[in-house]
Amino acid sequence: IQLTQSPSLLSASVGDRVTLSCKGSQNINNYLAWYQQKLGEAPKLLIYNTNSLQTGIPSRFSGSGSGTDYTLTISSLQPEDVATYFCYQYNNGYVTFGGGTKLELK
Amino acid sequence: EVQLVESGGGLVQPGRSLKLSCAASGFTFSNYYMAWVRQAPKKGLEWVATISTSGSRTYYPDSVKGRFTISRDNAKSSLYLQMNSLKSEDTATYYCARQNGKGRYYFDYWGQGVMVTVSS
Repeated sequence: IQLTQSPSLLSASVGDRVTLSCKGSQNINNYLAWYQQKLGEAPKLLIYNTNSLQTGIPSRFSGSGSGTDYTLTISSLQPEDVATYFCYQYNNGYVTFGGGTKLELK
Repeated sequence: EVQLVESGGGLVQPGRSLKLSCAASGFTFSNYYMAWVRQAPKKGLEWVATISTSGSRTYYPDSVKGRFTISRDNAKSSLYLQMNSLKSEDTATYYCARQNGKGRYYFDYWGQGVMVTVSS
């Protein structure tokens, strides 16, 4: 399953509501996770099973979607949210990641 | 606190071998599937290998199947990746990751990564 993330680059201001998109080439059946990767760091799990918030992740992060289309929303962008965000599908044995959305401050 | 610490990376010539290790702590290692995921410089993420809790089942993508071997030692809470016949396209940061879920697994904790450079 190929995952296409859009946009590839997103500029937003502190306090903005930000929406990142991830589209699969086939039905993902809600087996979709989101990761945040800051420069020079390992990825960090934010959301799993489409909309379950990982322990310790701020509630401003949320996930939604179904079928082939999924979304990560940051309700109020904070400076520490500058990072690249990857979606990941685990619906079948050959798991795959999206190409990433780089989020920067305007 | 879950901790995963990789080691064993470095510079290696094409066609040679290298073995990565990952020391796990802060959780019951034998209860979890484990995996390796890599990231080429300034590129995205690619799953490399997965191993079941007992080590009896292993899974690989076509890009490394037949060249890479994942293994584990539950008594030592350690994960390994034996990489043979290395190619320049294997150059990447390799992350050890814990897998979680029921039947379908996501990566919930990652190590800090170890760099592998394949070059003559």
